[in-house]
Amino acid sequence: GAGVSQTPSNKVTEKGKYVELRCDPISGHTALYWYRQSLGQGPEFLIYFQGTGAADDSGLPNDRFFAVRPEGSVSTLKIQRTERGDSAVYLCASSLIGGSPLHFGNGTRLTVT
Amino acid sequence: AQTVTQSQPEMSVQEAETVTLSCTYDTSESDYYLFWYKQPPSRQMILVIRQEAYKQQNATENRFSVNFQKAAKSFSLKISDSQLGDAAMYFCAFPGGSGYALNFGKGTSLLVTP
Repeated sequence: GAGVSQTPSNKVTEKGKYVELRCDPISGHTALYWYRQSLGQGPEFLIYFQGTGAADDSGLPNDRFFAVRPEGSVSTLKIQRTERGDSAVYLCASSLIGGSPLHFGNGTRLTVT
Repeated sequence: AQTVTQSQPEMSVQEAETVTLSCTYDTSESDYYLFWYKQPPSRQMILVIRQEAYKQQNATENRFSVNFQKAAKSFSLKISDSQLGDAAMYFCAFPGGSGYALNFGKGTSLLVTP
């Protein structure tokens, strides 16, 4: 079946703009995760959804970052007033339930100019 | 704090040879999972192998095996009969926070030479 799909694969935006990054998980996976990967670093946890609710949002760096998963499937990561330091690859992963192996998408490379 | 450390930024191995990638971690938990992920240039993270801490037997998946030393909090990955397709970034990961969010190391870049 289809894997985790992330769109767009690349996004270039100007400093101060608003962006939305989309993640379409594997069908039937109840858990969804967002990670951010800066150049030369490992992925850094942002937020974890179990169903529609954010079970752990402790990794969101500040209130400019927000994520939703209104129907328990597709998730959107929203970044307001983007800064150059937000430039990174944003990875989404899903799993059957929380704690089972993660399946990652190919990520969205965000560049803030 | 629960941390994961990969001390080898880069490693190189000849095709068909064996290479070991190191990982250490810090936790106060007694039961947990440990993971190795591979990230090729496509950016997609692929699970290579996982180890359950309560199991004494080291996990094995074909050419990939781990050397898990719980007391030393060490979790190394051994790749046997290395292939050109093994070239990638390798990340060690360990659950933190809610227990479902993974903490990743900084990664080891593996180069495989013919």
